[in-house]
This record gives sequence, structure tokens and C-alpha cells, in this order.
Amino acid sequence: GGIITQTPKFLIGQEGQKLTLKCQQNFNHDTMYWYRQDSGKGLRLIYYSITENDLQKGDLSEGYDASREKKSSFSLTVTSAQKNEMAVFLCASSRAQYEQYFGPGTRLTVL
Amino acid sequence: GDQVEQSPSALSLHEGTGSALRCNFTTTMRAVQWFQQNSRGSLINLFYLASGTKENGRLKSTFNSKESYSTLHIRDAQLEDSGTYFCAASNTGNYKYVFGAGTRLKVIA
Repeated sequence: GGIITQTPKFLIGQEGQKLTLKCQQNFNHDTMYWYRQDSGKGLRLIYYSITENDLQKGDLSEGYDASREKKSSFSLTVTSAQKNEMAVFLCASSRAQYEQYFGPGTRLTVL
Repeated sequence: GDQVEQSPSALSLHEGTGSALRCNFTTTMRAVQWFQQNSRGSLINLFYLASGTKENGRLKSTFNSKESYSTLHIRDAQLEDSGTYFCAASNTGNYKYVFGAGTRLKVIA
């Protein structure tokens, strides 16, 4: 078994601010993902990484940067927070392209 | 792009009854996952299928790649089954998963 940790749990930012979310996994998985979930909606893929130092854009990458610093960690940066934005950002990992496991999420509010 | 159509969008069940949730795919998928999202927002893994049928307790899931659909059957529904159920699918040679919009299930006593 393993666990995925996301920090912070809650993130409050100001319009235009650069904000960084972090994800750590101890499954020893190769692949990691960042998704965004708006209230009452499904998940949309922002970035994924199939190995250390790899980055692949998802359908929602505009406005975000990502960094896969090492196998166990994957960071997401909101490059310029949008006023009144509210969403949950979910990190996941998997062995290659197989079953994904999710972290608890970071809840973003922009004032 | 690849689309995943999930139905129904919402469902109410009385305790002890059952129903089926469905995902239809607009392209051939190699694998599907089913999740339950609870009231805290956590995604709980229910099934991962590359083909065929899997069963776990009161839940059963089938994936038919050739006919581009997957189903999740819930029987003897309990109050703790309430939540939103998502399917996510990936096509051949692809690491990306596309999620459906979810089915909001409410189990009533």
C-alpha cells in the first residue's frame, strides 16, 4: 500500500498571485497526474508526467505550470490566480498507465 | 477529443434496492476505472478493468471495449453508498484518462 499527500489542504490567494500546490506519493509509481474539479463537475486533466523530469500537457494546461522534481513528487503552479476562482485540485499516481490512486485534494479560493 | 458520457446524472434509491450506472465511450478504450467520491471529496477506488467483469461485495462492474461501454451495478443499496460515482477511461497507448461528469447517488432510508 501507499499514500498520496497534498499540501496545502486549503489555499487562499489573491487575484494575480502565483500559487504552488505540492503532491508526494510513496507508492513508487512512475506516473503522476494533476486534475482540476469544479463544484458539481467531473475531473479535468491539467498535466501529467510519465517519469521523473517528464511533463505532458492535459486538456486544461493553459494558466498552469508543473514540475516533476523527483519520482515521488509533482508540483503544480497556478501562474496568475483568477478572481473568484474556486476549485479542488487533485493529484493522482499510477504504475505506468494502470490504476490511478488519488490524494485528498487542495481546495483553492481566490479573493 | 475522447468523450465519456455517463448516465444517469442523478439517481435516488431506497435502501435494499439496486440499479446500474453506465458509461459510454466515443472511441475504443483500453481500460476503465470507477470511483466513488464521498461527502469529504475523497475519491475511493472501486474497480479497474481492462476487460470483462469484476465483483466486490454489493458492487459489480463490466467493461465491453468492443461495444464501448462500461457499467457499475449496485445491489442492496446502503446509506453509505450515497455520493458521486465517476468513471474514467483511457484509450490504447495513452496515459491520459478522461472522466465522465458523474452520477450523483442518494440512498434513502
